[in-house]
Amino acid sequence: KNQVEQSPQSLIILEGKNCTLQCNYTVSPFSNLRWYKQDTGRGPVSLTIMTFSENTKSNGRYTATLDADTKQSSLHITASQLSDSASYICVVSPPNNNNDMRFGAGTRLTVKP
Amino acid sequence: NAGVTQTPKFQVLKTGQSMTLQCAQDMNHNSMYWYRQDPGMGLRLIYYSASEGTTDKGEVPNGYNVSRLNKREFSLRLESAAPSQTSVYFCASSEAPGQGYEQYFGPGTRLTVT
Repeated sequence: KNQVEQSPQSLIILEGKNCTLQCNYTVSPFSNLRWYKQDTGRGPVSLTIMTFSENTKSNGRYTATLDADTKQSSLHITASQLSDSASYICVVSPPNNNNDMRFGAGTRLTVKP
Repeated sequence: NAGVTQTPKFQVLKTGQSMTLQCAQDMNHNSMYWYRQDPGMGLRLIYYSASEGTTDKGEVPNGYNVSRLNKREFSLRLESAAPSQTSVYFCASSEAPGQGYEQYFGPGTRLTVT
């Protein structure tokens, strides 16, 4: 069973609208939680990284939040643009293995004009 | 500064054929990784190299071999391709091993095994 679950699987919104993507994880404890953006046909690119002690991190119009008590993270996108169309991947890293990153399957976001 | 480059971009193999996926980075990073990405699943680590001269297995190493040719290059070899190895393969690099270091990904190689 995947230890990182993302919802929804896919989402369609109109340009200019806001949206929130969800990530639920069972990895506990964890070292950090990342959100990546993956454009079609490209590799993932990091958006935000949070340690277990942080509860919010922003990168422009992207804001990630973390609730370690409920083991949930969300990625909020403000004033969406057509270029935001991509998959967004949540990644959680356990603290006891340097190279063990648990990837979610991603949410596919489509922004329509 | 190209970052992480991968060749080829696309490849079709018949079952039993062999091939090598190439990866190179120009960021002077010590650590390099190979992942596979399948529909509906998260990326899974195949092999990694924490530093030049070392390689270690990841979550799904069976059917693959790797070579850290030098600090820049890390190749992935399929000795006898199987349809289950149809996937998109990503190479990544980081300054050092460990979750505190960002991983930078290449554009991927889409492999189909028939």
